[in-house]
Amino acid sequence: NAGVTQTPKFRVLKTGQSMTLLCAQDMNHEYMYWYRQDPGMGLRLIHYSVGEGTTAKGEVPDGYNVSRLKKQNFLLGLESAAPSQTSVYFCASSSIQGMANEQFFGPGTRLTVL
Amino acid sequence: LAKTTQPISMDSYEGQEVNITCSHNNIATNDYITWYQQFPSQGPRFIIQGYKTKVTNEVASLFIPADRKSSTLSLPRVSLSDTAVYYCLVGALYSSASKIIFGSGTRLSIRP
Repeated sequence: NAGVTQTPKFRVLKTGQSMTLLCAQDMNHEYMYWYRQDPGMGLRLIHYSVGEGTTAKGEVPDGYNVSRLKKQNFLLGLESAAPSQTSVYFCASSSIQGMANEQFFGPGTRLTVL
Repeated sequence: LAKTTQPISMDSYEGQEVNITCSHNNIATNDYITWYQQFPSQGPRFIIQGYKTKVTNEVASLFIPADRKSSTLSLPRVSLSDTAVYYCLVGALYSSASKIIFGSGTRLSIRP
């Protein structure tokens, strides 16, 4: 089992460009999450999904959109990238929702916006 | 929502036992205490979870006093490979995902 995978691993964008980050999980988990982690900081929840076809906002959703068309995939989009979105993005999945339930994380995507 | 407080950083040496304490004074009855470990350039990894007293697995032990207002993650005989950031999370099963909070964690540095 690959667990949680993320594509791409690295990306450099210019201000105003758009891109989509792909997260895939092979554990048949209902719940999926997108976080961002700025240098020296903890993780902040951007958006999450409680099942195929559903999405919801987390702590810092502005500037991002998400889609969950298939249970195993969760896409994070940046429509018009800004330097403030330079960060490392982590995707995670879990079988049950909530703080107390084990989340499985991907390896991260390092995004730089110039 | 239970707020957690952990030391920002800790240093230790190989072979020592390391204890990282997390304070959560307003923990609720249904809340569990969960610890994650994050190595540089990797995503966090679940290491241990408990509700009360003591929990032990192959990686660590978690000590929770009777009042549950704090918890201590114990790493026995650490090695260089235990250098990582450790996050303490407090929350309930089946709570809304919108309430998930990772604080800044404790940056543990192990020296030879």
